[in-house]
Amino acid sequence: GNSVTQMEGPVTLSEEAFLTINCTYTATGYPSLFWYVQYPGEGLQLLLKATKADDKGSNKGFEATYRKETTSFHLEKGSVQVSDSAVYFCALSARRRALTFGSGTRLQVQP
Amino acid sequence: DGGITQSPKYLFRKEGQNVTLSCEQNLNHDAMYWYRQDPGQGLRLIYYSQIVNDFQKGDIAEGYSVSREKKESFPLTVTSAQKNPTAFYLCASRPGGGFTDTQYFGPGTRLTVL
Repeated sequence: GNSVTQMEGPVTLSEEAFLTINCTYTATGYPSLFWYVQYPGEGLQLLLKATKADDKGSNKGFEATYRKETTSFHLEKGSVQVSDSAVYFCALSARRRALTFGSGTRLQVQP
Repeated sequence: DGGITQSPKYLFRKEGQNVTLSCEQNLNHDAMYWYRQDPGQGLRLIYYSQIVNDFQKGDIAEGYSVSREKKESFPLTVTSAQKNPTAFYLCASRPGGGFTDTQYFGPGTRLTVL
């Protein structure tokens, strides 16, 4: 079956530090890949997505590249801000049925 | 404004009671989903519906029921058969047809069993 594995958190960084959150997946076929962000007490917001190999999704300074050879979709940001503190979920979608999520990674950015 | 609304935001249930969580969308999306989120964990699929009057069980459907009588509404009932219902419940929707897999989420309902 499909599965998503994310690095465990929390990840604690100082403001303006470089961020990487690792995500690897297992799936048959060619899934679409997503990063969602969840702020405390809220639902999930789509951060970025990629639908085929070598695609790069980007939004608000965040980037992730769909790497089929390593089955990865790592999230990166060059300079984090306190407002980026949230929980980040990697997810995949196969056959447009439903999303399979990783367990989430909490990011804490200190001023 | 187009979007997904869930109500109530907080819900308290006594042991043995059924409760219904509301999910409404005005995005004209065909597909709707219910997920459960437990602390420190990812989301798990409860039920989903691709079209009106049709729905399928997800990975953790036991103790839950749904209906899809209208395109814009997909209520979830948590029955007394659900042994551990305390969790955060998220509803999502997705446009039908086409090639987009992107789902859009509501703000969630936090259910607590007293």
